[in-house]
Order: sequence, then C-alpha cells, then structure tokens
Amino acid sequence: EVQLVQSGAEVKKAGESLKISCNVSGSTFTTYWLGWVRQMPGKGLEWMGLIFPSDSDTRYSPSFQGQVTISVDKSINTAYLQWSSLKASDTAIYYCARQYCINGVCPYDYWGQGTPVTVSS
Amino acid sequence: DIQMTQSPSSLSASVGDRVTITCRASQNIDTTLNWYQQKPGRAPNLLIYAASSLQSGVPSRFSGSGSGTDFTLTISSLQPEDFGTYYCQQTYNLPRTFGQGTNLEI
Repeated sequence: EVQLVQSGAEVKKAGESLKISCNVSGSTFTTYWLGWVRQMPGKGLEWMGLIFPSDSDTRYSPSFQGQVTISVDKSINTAYLQWSSLKASDTAIYYCARQYCINGVCPYDYWGQGTPVTVSS
Repeated sequence: DIQMTQSPSSLSASVGDRVTITCRASQNIDTTLNWYQQKPGRAPNLLIYAASSLQSGVPSRFSGSGSGTDFTLTISSLQPEDFGTYYCQQTYNLPRTFGQGTNLEI
C-alpha cells in the first residue's frame, strides 16, 4: 500500500527557518514526481512545485519560486519543503502528493495527511 | 498560467439529487483535467482523472465529462457522505493549477 507520511505540526516565529518532510513507502520512490500543495486557512489548494526524486529535477510555481526549496533524500525515501525565513503569511497546511502520469495526464493519486504550519509575527 | 474557474462556488442539495459542478480552463487543456474531493480536516482525494476516468475505489455515482476548456463533474444521486469541497486541477502544463473549489452542502 502506498503511503505518504508527513512530519508533524510546527509552530514558529517569523524569520525562523523550517524544513518539513514527506516519507514515501509502498512505491518506488524514484519513479514518480512528488508535488507540494499549500492550503491557507479557509482557502483553496495552491500548487507550489514538484520534484523528480531520481535526479532531483525540480519545478516551481512562479508564485513560490525563491520563497521555498524542495529537495529529496533518496536514501530514506523522503521529500522536503523548506523555508529560510518564515513569514506570518506562510501559515497554512502543506500537503505532499504523488504525481502519477498516465496517457499524458498526471493526477495526484496519493496524498500525505498534511503538515500544519503556524507562524507568529 | 492556466486559470481554472469553477461554478458554482457553493451549493446546497438534498440526498438523491443529481448535482453538477463545472470547471472552465482559460485555454485548451485537452482532457488533462482531474477532480478531487476534500472533506474538512482531510487531504484531498482523487475522484476523476483525464476528465472522465473514475479512480479506483470511487463510487460509480461520480462521473466526469468534457474536453478542451469546459468540464463537468456529476454526482448522479447525492449521498450524505458526499459533502465537502470539490476541486478541479489541470495537468496540461506547469504550474498545475487548481480551481477555487466548490463547497457542497447537504
């Protein structure tokens, strides 16, 4: 069974750094792209970017380019999302999800449980 | 970026109703359109991919149609567990944009 298990809730102060994780099991880690999605309080889903674990090829949404860094550690089947200096506006739930491509379409078929991040100003 | 616009933003329906949610893309995306359901406090769940293919394990009362710029998600006979927010997503190109969501109340 494919599972994406994310790290726990975080409470931080503005200006601090943060790295959250997404561990993948039950699936060949290097075969599928992994994406990150933000959901601000009471709002919709925003696509942040994705990474191909095999070679760490990374693509970012223009809205998040330069604001976050996506990385992986293949040795432990884990993807990361990190910030160097958090802002209060980074308060949200962050989801990782597996991108499964079939016949040119790439749905997100497995999702992590979400990591709530709260940043106080 | 491709803009995805859903309508309505919210709707209220009764058990047994036929419900339709629409999603419009700002440019042609062929059939690279997916639908998700999200319940409060939970991660999104894939319902439909490639505009009309039912994801494994999803009840057959859910169906999708459309191509190009206009798409539809239909629930043929609404069940109590179908409440939540529904999102469309295009995977035609990057960034993989989502619609703003449709909140379905029962």
